Amino acid sequence: KAGVTQTPRYLIKTRGQQVTLSCSPISGHRSVSWYQQTPGQGLQFLFEYFSETQRNKGNFPGRFSGRQFSNSRSEMNVSTLELGDSALYLCASSLSVGGELYGYTFGSGTRLTVV
Amino acid sequence: DAKTTQPNSMESNEEEPVHLPCNHSTISGTDYIHWYRQLPSQGPEYVIHGLTSNVNNRMASLAIAEDRKSSTLILHRATLRDAAVYYCILSGGSNYKLTFGKGTLLTVNP
Repeated sequence: KAGVTQTPRYLIKTRGQQVTLSCSPISGHRSVSWYQQTPGQGLQFLFEYFSETQRNKGNFPGRFSGRQFSNSRSEMNVSTLELGDSALYLCASSLSVGGELYGYTFGSGTRLTVV
Repeated sequence: DAKTTQPNSMESNEEEPVHLPCNHSTISGTDYIHWYRQLPSQGPEYVIHGLTSNVNNRMASLAIAEDRKSSTLILHRATLRDAAVYYCILSGGSNYKLTFGKGTLLTVNP
C-alpha cells in the first residue's frame, strides 16, 4: 500500500515569505502529525490532527499552523519565514486514535531551506 | 513527558545480535514503549512497541523489564542496513505525540 506522501520534497524560500507543505496519509489513517527536524534541536513535535481537529500542539510560535481536511490529508503553513525555520518537516500518520496501538508511519519529509 | 535515557552510540558487527538498552524510570501505567529508527536521509521508521509483555515482530524483539523501568530492543542478526539512530519513546494517554530524544547511533561493522 502507498505510504505517507509529502510534497514537495525540497523547497527554497526567502525570508519573510510563507510556505505550505502537504501530507497525504496512508489510506484509512485518520491521525496526522507534523514534526520538525533540525541538527540542533532534533525531532520536535509540531501538532497532531484527528478528524479535522487539532488535539495537541507543540511549543512553536503562532507562525506555524496546520489543518486537516475531511479526507484526512493535511497541510502545514509557516508564515513570515525566518532563517531558523530551515529544517526537514516530517508528517506521520496512524491508524489508531493516538498511535499507541499501531505506531506511526512517517513520510520522507519536505526539506525547507530559507535564504 | 516521561523521559527515556539511551546510550549515545553503540557498535556491533554484522550478523551478530544487538541489544539496545533504554531506561525509563518515570514511566506511567498507561505509557507504551515505542522504538523507532531513522536511517540517513529518511524519516523515522516504526520498529516495535509494547506495554508490559515482551513483543516480537519481523524486525526485532522488545524485552520489557518486569517493573517496566527499562526495556531492550533486540536485533537478532545485525545487517549493514540496520545502521541508524534508534529512538526509545514513551507514548500514551491523551498525548497524541512522540517526544524524541537524541537516540542511540548504531554503527554496524562488516
